[in-house]
Amino acid sequence: KAGVTQTPRYLIKTRGQQVTLSCSPISGHRSVSWYQQTPGQGLQFLFEYFSETQRNKGNFPGRFSGRQFSNSRSEMNVSTLELGDSALYLCASSLFAGALSPYNEQFFGPGTRLTVL
Amino acid sequence: AQSVSQHNHHVILSEAASLELGCNYSYGGTVNLFWYVQYPGQHLQLLLKYFSGDPLVKGIKGFEAEFIKSKFSFNLRKPSVQWSDTAEYFCAVNPYNAGNMLTFGGGTRLMVKP
Repeated sequence: KAGVTQTPRYLIKTRGQQVTLSCSPISGHRSVSWYQQTPGQGLQFLFEYFSETQRNKGNFPGRFSGRQFSNSRSEMNVSTLELGDSALYLCASSLFAGALSPYNEQFFGPGTRLTVL
Repeated sequence: AQSVSQHNHHVILSEAASLELGCNYSYGGTVNLFWYVQYPGQHLQLLLKYFSGDPLVKGIKGFEAEFIKSKFSFNLRKPSVQWSDTAEYFCAVNPYNAGNMLTFGGGTRLMVKP
């Protein structure tokens, strides 16, 4: 069974640009969550999507947005990039939304490393 | 707001030494608890988890953790570390009313000297 895949794996952008990252969940998983990992702030929750609807949102500015498609694939978009947006962006998938449980575990992808110059 | 604290940011051990990494969380309700590991150049992997029942949980690679509800703690232990345990370890909390959202601690970088 293939794991969570994220594309691209590496990305370099300049300040002011916008970027779109993609995540394909494990087959059959319908919930996708996004996290930002930086040396200073650690791992922080961005948002969670289930059935094409945002179910949960972390404390990030409106420049960070996401969406989910009918096949459960998800994209996140960051507009007007800032230097501080340089980070590893992780996607995680699980079977369904609602609390995690022994029947609903979360699996992480390898991440997209975004560098903003 | 809930938070997760990992007290040790960097730990250096020799092989065969025992390991204990501390994790405390601030949330009054029912929570699910996790430890994840991130080996150099690899993605986050689940080490072990606690949902309910026996507060002493065993995970992969000989790791275990104990949930002490009264102390809001979920410390990770391993009796004898190996060089291959060199990695960053993250404690995470998922409150019952927070969907699939995980709140992570700041991580502990473990280096095991051969």
